[in-house]
Amino acid sequence: DAGITQSPRHKVTETGTPVTLRCHQTENHRYMYWYRQDPGHGLRLIHYSYGVKDTDKGEVSDGYSVSRSKTEDFLLTLESATSSQTSVYFCAISDDRGYGYTFGSGTRLTVV
Amino acid sequence: ILNVEQSPQSLHVQEGDSTNFTCSFPSSNFYALHWYRWETAKSPEALFVMTLNGDEKKKGRISATLNTKEGYSYLYIKGSQPEDSATYLCAFIAGTGTASKLTFGTGTRLQVTL
Repeated sequence: DAGITQSPRHKVTETGTPVTLRCHQTENHRYMYWYRQDPGHGLRLIHYSYGVKDTDKGEVSDGYSVSRSKTEDFLLTLESATSSQTSVYFCAISDDRGYGYTFGSGTRLTVV
Repeated sequence: ILNVEQSPQSLHVQEGDSTNFTCSFPSSNFYALHWYRWETAKSPEALFVMTLNGDEKKKGRISATLNTKEGYSYLYIKGSQPEDSATYLCAFIAGTGTASKLTFGTGTRLQVTL
């Protein structure tokens, strides 16, 4: 979507390796989120950020860390990837009221 | 963890049929309810943001209603078309809305055939 991009779009990695996914926005929104999408679970929140260096855990944060050193970038890191982290990862941004959510195009991650 | 439920899980209708789905959410501590349309291989696209009890929103053939007292929202599609085929997600925001975390339901997958 315009204003938010995710990279990479696809990645295959081996169990035990570190992986970083990037979300970049040009909307200057304060809030950024990482979700994962799995069959039967819908979208589940991993971590979110409410400002530079301000982050908090979501519902399924174990095994993930995040960083936000600039307003426009929100990084999701899998320190040591496991097969259970094979999923599609979506980044989202919203304005302060939480009314306007925009999603990125997703990153399909496969851990083999 | 907030419980947001959607029914049915999937639905198969014919072109021209009207249909509706349900989203149930906690009736206490309500802030907002979102509806999204999600086509395969794309990202979710916002349909409606609903904030007040009794809210009714409409966009073309799609409309939604909200009952915050009993904790449910309905999404209606009138005269379904094949291009309406998608998964429809609802998402709930609790509290004051700060750090506006959406809790999603698992979605209703709609398939419209000719």
